[in-house]
Amino acid sequence: DVKVTQSSRYLVKRTGEKVFLECVQDMDHENMFWYRQDPGLGLRLIYFSYDVKMKEKGDIPEGYSVSREKKERFSLILESASTNQTSMYLCASSLSGYNQPQHFGDGTRLSIL
Amino acid sequence: EDQVTQSPEALRLQEGESSSLNCSYTVSGLRGLFWYRQDPGKGPEFLFTLYSAGEEKEKERLKATLTKKESFLHITAPKPEDSATYLCAVRTFGNEKLTFGTGTRLTIIP
Repeated sequence: DVKVTQSSRYLVKRTGEKVFLECVQDMDHENMFWYRQDPGLGLRLIYFSYDVKMKEKGDIPEGYSVSREKKERFSLILESASTNQTSMYLCASSLSGYNQPQHFGDGTRLSIL
Repeated sequence: EDQVTQSPEALRLQEGESSSLNCSYTVSGLRGLFWYRQDPGKGPEFLFTLYSAGEEKEKERLKATLTKKESFLHITAPKPEDSATYLCAVRTFGNEKLTFGTGTRLTIIP
């Protein structure tokens, strides 16, 4: 089975802090994704990566950056956390190809105070 | 812009009462439609992929169907363990991204 592991289930940070969310997958997937999930808005794509050191902006990249130095690891960075970034953050990975589903981790619930 | 709309937002059924969830989409060129199940506090779990109108996929009490404008997730004789939020998502040509709907929260009452 595919395993996507997010480093923290719950995280509480202060406004203005730099926040790192980590995600690791164990299936040698080329693609990795970061989403946020908010009530009534569904899952929205922040950034994705289709190869090491490659990244593409998703639908809501403002205030975020990403890093992919190794194939199995994809990090989401909140450069200066703000209260409107309080959300559930979900990481996913997939093989390349139109018929390949994305597999998700269990999420990090991030609260910015 | 690709759009995915799910209805209803929430559905409560008695155990054994069959029903359907709807996912309608407006996209430039459908490459695949994906159904996921999400339990509280968990990430979405992949269920099905559908590629072309007329296609059907089944898994236990769930059957997914696809037309040119919408997909249905039929639930036959549901059990309480089928309670979850069901999400659909679409992928379009030349795109690795998925566009998600906001989900249907299904509750099965014993």
